Amino acid sequence: DSGVTQTPKHLITATGQRVTLRCSPRSGDLSVYWYQQSLDQGLQFLIQYYNGEERAKGNILERFSAQQFPDLHSELNLSSLELGDSALYFCASSPRNSLRTGGYTFGSGTRLTVV
Amino acid sequence: QQQVKQSPQSLIVQKGGISIINCAYENTAFDYFPWYQQFPGKGPALLIAIRPDVSEKKEGRFTISFNKSAKQFSLHIMDSQPGDSATYFCAASFQGGSEKLVFGKGTKLTVNP
Repeated sequence: DSGVTQTPKHLITATGQRVTLRCSPRSGDLSVYWYQQSLDQGLQFLIQYYNGEERAKGNILERFSAQQFPDLHSELNLSSLELGDSALYFCASSPRNSLRTGGYTFGSGTRLTVV
Repeated sequence: QQQVKQSPQSLIVQKGGISIINCAYENTAFDYFPWYQQFPGKGPALLIAIRPDVSEKKEGRFTISFNKSAKQFSLHIMDSQPGDSATYFCAASFQGGSEKLVFGKGTKLTVNP
């Protein structure tokens, strides 16, 4: 157990629907990162939050949004889902200045299947 | 400039052999280069990392070699074991920025017994 909890583990939904993925970071970690992993694109950075504030944005579609709550858990909202959104979605967390102290810790991911 | 190019895409090695995975980057502002290991059904886990002020870092059977002038770095797995079979990702980041990681596309390593 990495300490980063992602729910649900699996999600099957229809095109056009909206889903919410949840991530609870390791205790004490202030940063949360969301990544999308697909076979052809690898791990793509979507968005980062630090202590409730958006810190960096990557290749995140306008149909996707995220937030980090006061208790530091984060949610990734995916709407108007398309078949191409089927992927593994990972959350990672890190303490402040993580790259000096050991980097990210990833959760086990949510596998999203859009049918 | 944000890309990290990783090769090979897949690698098959015999038990006891050396596995070598290579990565190249363009952005000279990158100053942190980790390798992650991912088993099926799991998230990536940090394996080993290096900063550009050293040319090599070794942890057990895993070694990162770093060539700053060529903008390349590689992972060497000595005495490869079947338990090392996994997907390996190289990555790069800036320490001073958001610390987001840019990942290579991964190498699927299979170590045959």
